[in-house]
Amino acid sequence: AQSVTQPDIHITVSEGASLELRCNYSYGATPYLFWYVQSPGQGLQLLLKYFSGDTLVQGIKGFEAEFKRSQSSFNLRKPSVHWSDAAEYFCAVADRGSTLGRLYFGRGTQLTVWP
Amino acid sequence: DTEVTQTPKHLVMGMTNKKSLKCEQHMGHRAMYWYKQKAKKPPELMFVYSYEKLSINESVPSRFSPECPNSSLLNLHLHALQPEDSALYLCASSQGTSGTRSEQFFGPGTRLTVL
Repeated sequence: AQSVTQPDIHITVSEGASLELRCNYSYGATPYLFWYVQSPGQGLQLLLKYFSGDTLVQGIKGFEAEFKRSQSSFNLRKPSVHWSDAAEYFCAVADRGSTLGRLYFGRGTQLTVWP
Repeated sequence: DTEVTQTPKHLVMGMTNKKSLKCEQHMGHRAMYWYKQKAKKPPELMFVYSYEKLSINESVPSRFSPECPNSSLLNLHLHALQPEDSALYLCASSQGTSGTRSEQFFGPGTRLTVL
């Protein structure tokens, strides 16, 4: 089974500072990779995804992520954080060869933004 | 229409009540999912429907009963729940369950409280 590691439970940054959230996965083949964001009491919104091709992907709200096969990582970045970015961030992977549609989630990283 | 809707937003029920959660999408997706999410945790998959057939049941207690009357609608019938079932229940949909069609779109969730 897939496993997804988000090593940081909680990150605090100042508004305007840069951000990097880490995600590593454990699987033999390259899976499909996703980052979701969740505001308190809300559903999950897809920020960006990687299926194939260019390993640097651009998403919504100024986020980007880079897939590094050698490190089994898919880290999320933003050059300048806004107060509205405070939320929970989940990395998720899906087995490229599966027909079940199952997503494997990391435990999440809570982002706090100081004014 | 590019969203997944869920009703109600909030639900409070007693342990002897029977209630239902509803999820709807009009994106032509043929796979729909129910997740349960406790506070500060990632979503846990409960059920997957593919082409209106139940394809995954993650050993969910029988007090939760899913139903997929058509490809746009997914219900979750609740009966004799326990207080520990209190959680955010998320619905998601995708074009299919394999390959890039498995990208999931989430609804806003129903916050369930069992007294």
